[in-house]
Amino acid sequence: DAMVIQNPRYQVTQFGKPVTLSCSQTLNHNVMYWYQQKSSQAPKLLFHYYDKDFNNEADTPDNFQSRRPNTSFCFLDIRSPGLGDAAMYLCATSSARGANEQFFGPGTRLTVL
Amino acid sequence: AQSVTQPDIHITVSEGASLELRCNYSYGATPYLFWYVQSPGQGRQLLLKYFSGDTLVQGIKGFEAEFKRSQSSFNLRKPSVHWSDAAEYFCAVGGLNDYKLSFGAGTTVTVRA
Repeated sequence: DAMVIQNPRYQVTQFGKPVTLSCSQTLNHNVMYWYQQKSSQAPKLLFHYYDKDFNNEADTPDNFQSRRPNTSFCFLDIRSPGLGDAAMYLCATSSARGANEQFFGPGTRLTVL
Repeated sequence: AQSVTQPDIHITVSEGASLELRCNYSYGATPYLFWYVQSPGQGRQLLLKYFSGDTLVQGIKGFEAEFKRSQSSFNLRKPSVHWSDAAEYFCAVGGLNDYKLSFGAGTTVTVRA
């Protein structure tokens, strides 16, 4: 089955220790998104890729970076995690930008100690 | 600015009873509206979407939603819930030329026997 896979499902890191979250997709979609969702809040879009074109949201902290080495993979790098970065991180894909259906991975739960 | 409000954080319903989840949106142009469902450990899945036409849309798993422009609402309904409908439900809004969707914070549905 075509799908969106996120690894790991649970990640524990220490305050200030860099961490990388991984997302891969078998849908061959052009667009990949990273969202941050904190408890009882709506998911917040951090950035998205349209093919290799990187698009950062204006309010995404510099602490968050992303890489997309090829169509299938996208990484979220948190350079110096703070306690406030503990959240669920969701990866999603879409065949095109605009109001299209987005396909989500199960998420990575990040804990910062 | 676009936004989605899901007024109910948590709803408990008996198996076989009807279910209605509320969604109110704010969007400056013609809205495209979505409902997603997320079961534990799985990625969120599209239930249904509204782009134009008939304001009552049918989705998977027996769900339907009605778009009411005058009320800026897109409420989700199911006539008779099953225990497997216990999950978290998210409403989202986007637009034709908009690269992103805005999600609500979600409503958790518990089904009691």
